[in-house]
Amino acid sequence: QKEVEQNSGPLSVPEGAIASLNCTYSDRVSQSFFWYRQYSGKSPELIMSIYSNGDKEDGRFTAQLNKASQYVSLLIRDSQPSDSATYLCAVILMNRDDKIIFGKGTRLHILP
Amino acid sequence: GAGVSQTPSNKVTEKGKYVELRCDPISGHTALYWYRQSLGQGPEFLIYFQGTGAADDSGLPNDRFFAVRPEGSVSTLKIQRTERGDSAVYLCASSYRGRREAFFGQGTRLTVV
Repeated sequence: QKEVEQNSGPLSVPEGAIASLNCTYSDRVSQSFFWYRQYSGKSPELIMSIYSNGDKEDGRFTAQLNKASQYVSLLIRDSQPSDSATYLCAVILMNRDDKIIFGKGTRLHILP
Repeated sequence: GAGVSQTPSNKVTEKGKYVELRCDPISGHTALYWYRQSLGQGPEFLIYFQGTGAADDSGLPNDRFFAVRPEGSVSTLKIQRTERGDSAVYLCASSYRGRREAFFGQGTRLTVV
């Protein structure tokens, strides 16, 4: 099993709808989880961090964490064309000297 | 500085040459990461520093790659005898503590011809 797994997409969502991005991870004792957004030709930009089970909301973004299922997700409400990007899930692996490992990313395309 | 700074932004080098890529982290950040990213892939972990020491260098692909952070701030990634397969964007990130979110520089695009 890969350490951090994401569906590569592309995920196409109509403008105004909810985009749901998913990520699973292998390290049962991981405590820190992040979502980054990366536009083509740019470096990753942190958009959400989550450390506890449950939901964390920030504007149109909601991160959801379920440690028992080793699953973290990102919901984007009222999707806008400017949300079209690759979304990277990242996990701090506590069984691997606390390094941050990234998934391959999910390409999201918001349809106008 | 306000953010992570990487130099150069672009580097074109001939196969077999030596290159150095520099990363200047956010002031006060103790953790520094190097990643390599190829087109359509996520960032691939290379090495992670806590202070001056490499906490984990398990991602360095072979002994042609080496990184240092002598004073616990600026880091240099060094690649000897470059190969065309080394062409990628090299990303640097820093964080305040090893267990918190990391912020990226703009990357260095390395092209080996």
